[in-house]
Amino acid sequence: DIQMTQSPSTLSASVGDRVTITCRASQSINSWLAWYQQKPGKAPKLLIYAASTLQSGVPSRFSGSGSGTDFTLTISSLQPDDFASYYCQQYNFYSGYTFGQGTKLEIK
Amino acid sequence: QITLKESGPTLVKPTQILTLTCTFSGFSLSTTGVSVGWIRQPPGRALEWLALIYWDDDKRYSPFLRSRLTITKDTSKNQVVVTMTNMDPVDTATYYCAHSQRSSSGSYYQGGLGYYYYVMDVWGQGTTVTVSS
Repeated sequence: DIQMTQSPSTLSASVGDRVTITCRASQSINSWLAWYQQKPGKAPKLLIYAASTLQSGVPSRFSGSGSGTDFTLTISSLQPDDFASYYCQQYNFYSGYTFGQGTKLEIK
Repeated sequence: QITLKESGPTLVKPTQILTLTCTFSGFSLSTTGVSVGWIRQPPGRALEWLALIYWDDDKRYSPFLRSRLTITKDTSKNQVVVTMTNMDPVDTATYYCAHSQRSSSGSYYQGGLGYYYYVMDVWGQGTTVTVSS
């Protein structure tokens, strides 16, 4: 089973800050990683897939990078709407999906 | 436009079987490269993937819940059903279904075989299930 370790679990930042969230896979997953944003009471929203491809309609301040086991989600300049929880997710044809434990992005 | 909606009981008793239905529109689960998955989220906790069914009826289950889960599809009704046996209060959660499809980004060929990345791109609104006697 592939485990996903996401850090930090909580992140405090201010509007305009650049923030980075990391996700590490227990084994190589090529680039089969996605990032989701979730707001309270809402379904997750796809931000990034294939590690670095921006989903249509997602602001360009969001970017993803990495391959193999180490991945990052970067928000270049935080906006008020970005304060939410973020999850990484890996896909494997044989074992399905696994989510990271999430990062709550809070206003400092 | 792809939409999905989950339905089922809001309250189940311990040891009972939970049956949830995902009714979707805007795509067909008989189309090559399409799949539907189920995910849950206990209150205040992280997302947990449960099960996935592909267009060709291939299925995948969470290793932690495999013995309790069954996923099926009814292509004619545009529905995917998941059942979970022996429900427990720890199974209290919001349950989501989601559309997933092959992505050209990330997919590749090697040794004459295709390796396809499935992106979970559209989610239902979720349905809350409480397990309590």
